[in-house]
Amino acid sequence: NAGVTQTPKFQVLKTGQSMTLQCAQDMNHNSMYWYRQDPGMGLRLIYYSASEGTTDKGEVPNGYNVSRLNKREFSLRLESAAPSQTSVYFCASSETGAVQETQYFGPGTRLLVL
Amino acid sequence: ILNVEQSPQSLHVQEGDSTNFTCSFPSSNFYALHWYRWETAKSPEALFVMTLNGDEKKKGRISATLNTKEGYSYLYIKGSQPEDSATYLCAFDYGGATNKLIFGTGTLLAVQP
Repeated sequence: NAGVTQTPKFQVLKTGQSMTLQCAQDMNHNSMYWYRQDPGMGLRLIYYSASEGTTDKGEVPNGYNVSRLNKREFSLRLESAAPSQTSVYFCASSETGAVQETQYFGPGTRLLVL
Repeated sequence: ILNVEQSPQSLHVQEGDSTNFTCSFPSSNFYALHWYRWETAKSPEALFVMTLNGDEKKKGRISATLNTKEGYSYLYIKGSQPEDSATYLCAFDYGGATNKLIFGTGTLLAVQP
């Protein structure tokens, strides 16, 4: 039981390049989330997917797109990377998305945009 | 704007010391307060979900209390060990159709042997 996995672990991009961050969970959870972590700031929600087939914007969605490929997988795409998107990206999942539920996090992807 | 504050930002203690830190959150629209433990290069790991005013939860040497009326939660570690070194995050759960969380910036705890 791997929980939440993310690939890649590290990535360096040049400004303007695109890439997709992958996330998968094997806990049969309905809800999945993408966060970014920047120094001096709390984890901020980029996008979330309450259930398969639905996605919604979080606090900081600009510059990102997401795809809920199936129940297990939720990807985050940067179409044209900018230095401001240098961050650590975390994917998380929760069972139903109901309030008070624990979210389970992946190990993170460290992204550097030059 | 919902704001969650944690203090102190960082804490250095000696092995065996007991310590505590604070999470402050809005006292309205409260549904839950989550505590996570985040070790460097690992995933944030859930410690507690606290929902009721006056709640007190315990896991080994770590415990937490909750005051929803005044909007704060304390996390206590008794007899700190080097393996307790981590960042401790709190997150405010304000409800809604999906449990969107507002995270604090965390308290970085370093326990020296």
